Amino acid sequence: EIVLTQSPGTLSLSPGERATLSCRASQSFSSSYLAWYQQKPGQAPRLLIYGASSRAAGIPDRFSGSGSGTDFTLTISRLEPEDSAVYYCQQYGSSPPLTFGGGTKVEIK
Amino acid sequence: EVQLLESGGGLVQPGGSLRLSCAASGFTFSSHAMNWVRQAPGKGLEWVSGISGSGGRTDYADSVKGRFTMSRDKSKNTMFLQMNSLRAEDTAVYYCAKSQYQLLYTTDDAFDIWGQGTMVTVSS
Repeated sequence: EIVLTQSPGTLSLSPGERATLSCRASQSFSSSYLAWYQQKPGQAPRLLIYGASSRAAGIPDRFSGSGSGTDFTLTISRLEPEDSAVYYCQQYGSSPPLTFGGGTKVEIK
Repeated sequence: EVQLLESGGGLVQPGGSLRLSCAASGFTFSSHAMNWVRQAPGKGLEWVSGISGSGGRTDYADSVKGRFTMSRDKSKNTMFLQMNSLRAEDTAVYYCAKSQYQLLYTTDDAFDIWGQGTMVTVSS
C-alpha cells in the first residue's frame, strides 16, 4: 500500500500570498495517478488536479500541480478568501488500494 | 447536470447491516467506474470500494473486505453498497464518487463528481 504524507498540517497565510502544499509517497509511482482535492466544511470534496498537473474543469488557473516519483506539490499562486479549505492528495494507482493523504488545512488570515 | 445522490444512511447497532444507494444522473452511467469514499467525523478521506463501468470488477479496502459488497444496476443508474457486520469504526459520512473513465486504475483518472454524502452511525 502506498502511504501519502502531506505537509504542513496547517498553513496560515494572507490573501494574495502563495501556498505550497506537499504530498510525499512511501514509494514511487507514475504521476498519471496523482490527484488533488479541495474540501470545505460540510461539503463533499472537489477535484482540483488530476494526472499531477492537469486542472479539472472550472478550476481557476491559480491552482497548479507538479511533481513526480515520490514528491508532489499543489501550489495556489495568489490566495483568495474562498481558498480556505482542507486539501487532500490521492494516488489512483495501477492496483488497489487507492489512498489519500491526511490533508493540509489552509487558513486565510 | 451531472449529479450523484446518496441515500440509505442511518443509525445501526454493531453487527447490523445497512444498504446505501447512489442514484446517478446527467451522464452515461455504464461508461464510468464508481467508488465509495468515507470520512469519519473530524478525520480524513478513506477509499472504501470501487466498481468498473461494466460491473465486472470490484475492489475493496482491507478494512471492509468480506463485510461490504458493492454493486451497480445499469437499468436504474444506481449503485449500491451492502454493509454487513458493521462496527463502530465504520461510523462515517459515505460519499459516492464518479471516476472519469470506465475501467478502474486508468491513467489520468480521478474522482470528478461527488455526491453530498450520507451519514452512517454504528452504535448501541
